Amino acid sequence: QVQLQESGPRLVKPSQTLSLTCTVSGGSIKSGYFWNWVRQHPGKGLEWIGNIHPSGDTYYNPSLMSRVSMSLDTSKSQVSLKMDSVTAADTADYYCARGGESKSYYIFFDLWGRGTRVTVSS
Amino acid sequence: IVMTQSPDSLAVSLGERAAINCKSSQSLLYNPNNKNYLAWYQHKSGQPPKLLIYWASTRESGVPDRFSGSGSGTDFTLTISSLQAEDVAVYYCQQYYDGSTFGQGTKVEIK
Repeated sequence: QVQLQESGPRLVKPSQTLSLTCTVSGGSIKSGYFWNWVRQHPGKGLEWIGNIHPSGDTYYNPSLMSRVSMSLDTSKSQVSLKMDSVTAADTADYYCARGGESKSYYIFFDLWGRGTRVTVSS
Repeated sequence: IVMTQSPDSLAVSLGERAAINCKSSQSLLYNPNNKNYLAWYQHKSGQPPKLLIYWASTRESGVPDRFSGSGSGTDFTLTISSLQAEDVAVYYCQQYYDGSTFGQGTKVEIK
C-alpha cells in the first residue's frame, strides 16, 4: 500500500529556509494525484499549505504563497517543500498528504504521512 | 471560507450518540454535480489525521458504520451513533470547495 514519510531538519533558525521532503513508497508518485503539505501549530488546528501535481501544477494557500514553493522529483518519488524567512510562528507539525481523487487540486486527503515536528528557534 | 465547529469539546458516555456540527461561511454545494465539498477527519494524539467522510456523507473504506456525515450547503454534522473508547480524538471538518480550510476541531472524550 502507498505510504508517505516526511523527513528534514527538526530545527531551523529564524529567517532561514525550512526544507522538508516527503517520500512516497508502495505506489507511483506519477499516478495523477496532487501531493499536499498540511501543518498543525502546537495545540492548534490544521492548515493547508499547498499542493503539487506530477504535471508541475501547484496551488498554494494565499496566506503563505509568498514564502512557499514545492517541487517533485519523480526519480526519487519525493515531494519537497521549501518555506522562506521562517519565524517562530512556523513551528509546527508538518504533514504530507495525498489528494483523494486524481486530477483534483482542491480535494480531501486520503493518505497522510506520520508528520514531522519542525521548531524554529535560534 | 471560514469553517466553524461546535462544540469545542464533547463528553459522551460509552454507547451513546455524539454529534459534531460544522458551519461554513459560504455554501459548499456545487450545483453542477450536486456535491458538497466537505470532509471529516479523526485525529488521535501522536498519529496523522484519518479521513472518515468525504463529499459530506461518503464513508471512507474501512471506517466503521457508526460514523456518518450529513448536511448540505453551509451546515454539516458528523454523528457517531454509539461512542466507543477508541473514538476518543479530535475531529475536524474540512472544506475543499475553494482552496482548503479546516474547522478549529472538536475534542471528543468519554463521560
